[in-house]
Amino acid sequence: DTGVSQNPRHKITKRGQNVTFRCDPISEHNRLYWYRQTLGQGPEFLTYFQNEAQLEKSRLLSDRFSAERPKGSFSTLEIQRTEQGDSAMYLCASSSGAANEQFFGPGTRLTVL
Amino acid sequence: AQSVSQHNHHVILSEAASLELGCNYSYGGTVNLFWYVQYPGQHLQLLLKYFSGDPLVKGIKGFEAEFIKSKFSFNLRKPSVQWSDTAEYFCAVAGGYQKVTFGTGTKLQVIP
Repeated sequence: DTGVSQNPRHKITKRGQNVTFRCDPISEHNRLYWYRQTLGQGPEFLTYFQNEAQLEKSRLLSDRFSAERPKGSFSTLEIQRTEQGDSAMYLCASSSGAANEQFFGPGTRLTVL
Repeated sequence: AQSVSQHNHHVILSEAASLELGCNYSYGGTVNLFWYVQYPGQHLQLLLKYFSGDPLVKGIKGFEAEFIKSKFSFNLRKPSVQWSDTAEYFCAVAGGYQKVTFGTGTKLQVIP
């Protein structure tokens, strides 16, 4: 399968714990995006990488959130000291070329108890 | 800032009925417009896109959308829906390589 993959697919954690998610984009794509989706809402932009450079961060991305893409390939999203309000589906997407057609992964569903 | 407004949150249709889902956007520059679909239990998939050229865009599974610049609209249409079209539909806008801004989605339920 050459699509975007995300791991884990589900994560249940207790409030205050740290969690890390991984995204593997389509191999030739140089742009990678993280979004968050809550029930009844469309995906909301969190951050965006072009190769290894993080070019934009949303105000939604508090200091407890950090994302990396160290070698311009896979990316990780870490949430420190999780809160119940962090419960959501975290989506990753990738794209390349002049157009911005983004291909989405299956998401990681986070539940904070 | 870019924004997207979808007018219908939940639509129920019988099979063979025609579909039109409204979408209006706000963005100051040249836009790329998208409709994504999320079938139950599946991830977001691109249904169709508009970047430039012919404002009437045809997508997969018989869907089409029309970009009307003067109305800032990008409505999705299908002449005859099927039960398999039951899904959630998201309109989205992007400026260049930037983030995609999504609407809140429209849940379509098609009754056999």
